[in-house]
Amino acid sequence: GQQVMQIPQYQHVQEGEDFTTYCNSSTTLSNIQWYKQRPGGHPVFLIQLVKSGEVKKQKRLTFQFGEAKKNSSLHITATQTTDVGTYFCAGPSNNAGNMLTFGGGTRLMVKP
Amino acid sequence: NAGVTQTPKFQVLKTGQSMTLQCAQDMNHEYMSWYRQDPGMGLRLIHYSVGAGITDQGEVPNGYNVSRSTTEDFPLRLLSAAPSQTSVYFCASSPGQGFSGANVLTFGAGSRLTVL
Repeated sequence: GQQVMQIPQYQHVQEGEDFTTYCNSSTTLSNIQWYKQRPGGHPVFLIQLVKSGEVKKQKRLTFQFGEAKKNSSLHITATQTTDVGTYFCAGPSNNAGNMLTFGGGTRLMVKP
Repeated sequence: NAGVTQTPKFQVLKTGQSMTLQCAQDMNHEYMSWYRQDPGMGLRLIHYSVGAGITDQGEVPNGYNVSRSTTEDFPLRLLSAAPSQTSVYFCASSPGQGFSGANVLTFGAGSRLTVL
């Protein structure tokens, strides 16, 4: 079945350092979404990418969708303690009514 | 506008007991779904619904039942709880096909279930 993989699983950074998480799908995706989950919280939608090669920015966060629409990345410039949490990518399932299949997530920890 | 409301927030069960996790949304979303979250395994789809009266199985449906009698409510039933069902459960909704952001999920706050 469809698989969505994320690396790394964990990342410790010093505040001010950059951070990148990578997402790879076993199948081509019509779109990819990114969510953030703060410790003890629930996932919250960040962004959706639809077009091949698309790049979107939200302040210090840069999201990319690969040319083949099978991979994506999230890059955070100059991390802050408020960036702490787990970042998930997700793509439409090809066998569950367009519901989302999630990657395993990357847990970001920021040392002040 | 409360979004997605889940109850209870915490529950402890004994093996073999049954219970229902409640989920309600007030955004008039067509799609609703249940995910479970286990350490290192992300979010896995249990069951989903694309409209009232319609439900289907996700990736990990065994041991769970759902129903969708109204657009607003989507309860998840554990028939005979097992320790392997210890997890955090999230209910989510999305607008549905044909709407802007069709499959963008709004999650509830989660229900932490422990089965002893």
